[in-house]
Amino acid sequence: SQQGEEDPQALSIQEGENATMNCSYKTSINNLQWYRQNSGRGLVHLILIRSNEREKHSGRLRVTLDTSKKSSSLLITASRAADTASYFCATDWGGGGNKLTFGTGTQLKVEL
Amino acid sequence: DAGVIQSPRHEVTEMGQEVTLRCKPISGHNSLFWYRQTMMRGLELLIYFNNNVPIDDSGMPEDRFSAKMPNASFSTLKIQPSEPRDSAVYFCASSLEGQAHTQYFGPGTRLTVL
Repeated sequence: SQQGEEDPQALSIQEGENATMNCSYKTSINNLQWYRQNSGRGLVHLILIRSNEREKHSGRLRVTLDTSKKSSSLLITASRAADTASYFCATDWGGGGNKLTFGTGTQLKVEL
Repeated sequence: DAGVIQSPRHEVTEMGQEVTLRCKPISGHNSLFWYRQTMMRGLELLIYFNNNVPIDDSGMPEDRFSAKMPNASFSTLKIQPSEPRDSAVYFCASSLEGQAHTQYFGPGTRLTVL
């Protein structure tokens, strides 16, 4: 299976703290994307990092990619209660046509 | 743009009944994906279409499931007959070739089969 694995499966932090989620995958990729899912909603695209990039920022989000280790991390700085959601990585590994392979997700809970 | 539209949002049916889920992708997008999400199995890709043609249906669980895309603005996922184990949230997503395959998801249909 090409499916990515994410850890931790669940993460609980206090508001204002940073949250770090990790994603590992199995094959070479064209790009890796992070998505967010609020309870009962569809997934929403957050950020994309290409295989030739090592780090990318968007607002309070920071994504890193290490292609030698086949891993990525998503850092959310200064977390807020509204960041409570599940976060998924998804890989475009080229051999899958137009489809993405989604990871198993990390459930983040940010407490007041 | 209204985003990906799915209907119905909730469906409750009895075992053995036929269920049809509907999806309208974002205008101009040329790939459409059907996913199923459960607590036990996570997010599973069932089938995807490119330019209205089914490309990969390896995720379709069994013959009870079928999907069609008669035109670029409409797709259906049909379950006949439905079973309690089909209870899940079904998502439709669309993407545009050339945009790094970024997918845009609909709000989902929550299906309960009694």
